[in-house]
Amino acid sequence: GENVEQHPSTLSVQEGDSAVIKCTYSDSASNYFPWYKQELGKRPQLIIDIRSNVGEKKDQRIAVTLNKTAKHFSLHITETQPEDSAVYFCAASMGRGYQKVTFGTGTKLQVIP
Amino acid sequence: NAGVTQTPKFRVLKTGQSMTLLCAQDMNHEYMYWYRQDPGMGLRLIHYSVGEGTTAKGEVPDGYNVSRLKKQNFLLGLESAAPSQTSVYFCASSWTSGGSNEQFFGPGTRLTVL
Repeated sequence: GENVEQHPSTLSVQEGDSAVIKCTYSDSASNYFPWYKQELGKRPQLIIDIRSNVGEKKDQRIAVTLNKTAKHFSLHITETQPEDSAVYFCAASMGRGYQKVTFGTGTKLQVIP
Repeated sequence: NAGVTQTPKFRVLKTGQSMTLLCAQDMNHEYMYWYRQDPGMGLRLIHYSVGEGTTAKGEVPDGYNVSRLKKQNFLLGLESAAPSQTSVYFCASSWTSGGSNEQFFGPGTRLTVL
């Protein structure tokens, strides 16, 4: 089955700096890559996603890049703010409606004011 | 719309006891999922369903059973609880034809098995 590796497991940045989280996947059939943010004690929520026919996608301060050849994708957060502090999960999925989802182990991001 | 709801929010069981976790969604989603979340291990898929009356095994199905008798409900059962099943359980739902692929999560159930 699919295996998703995520690095780093923890990341501390100063407010205003950029943060980058990287993920690799093993199954070349995976074709949809969402990122979820989970604040402490809360449920995961989708923040951005990318399909395999797109190399990059941006939404304000958040961007995701995908390299299908190397089977890796990354989340970039610019101008970090304290409210960006959370655990971020990458995922890889496939299938009709992308129902087969495999999550990474998560990155705990701490933004220091 | 309530979105995805889970019952109960907290539960403490003794080893060997059984229980059922209930997940309900009001978004007319076709797919529903049960995950467990443990420190340092992310979200691991237990079972999932692609439609009413169907279920399939995920990554860590042993010790759990599920049923989807109605489209809006997905039940997770533990027949004989073990301490290794102490975890936070999240239900999620996704997908309607022509809709997005986003998974919507419930608030979670914190289960402790003594």
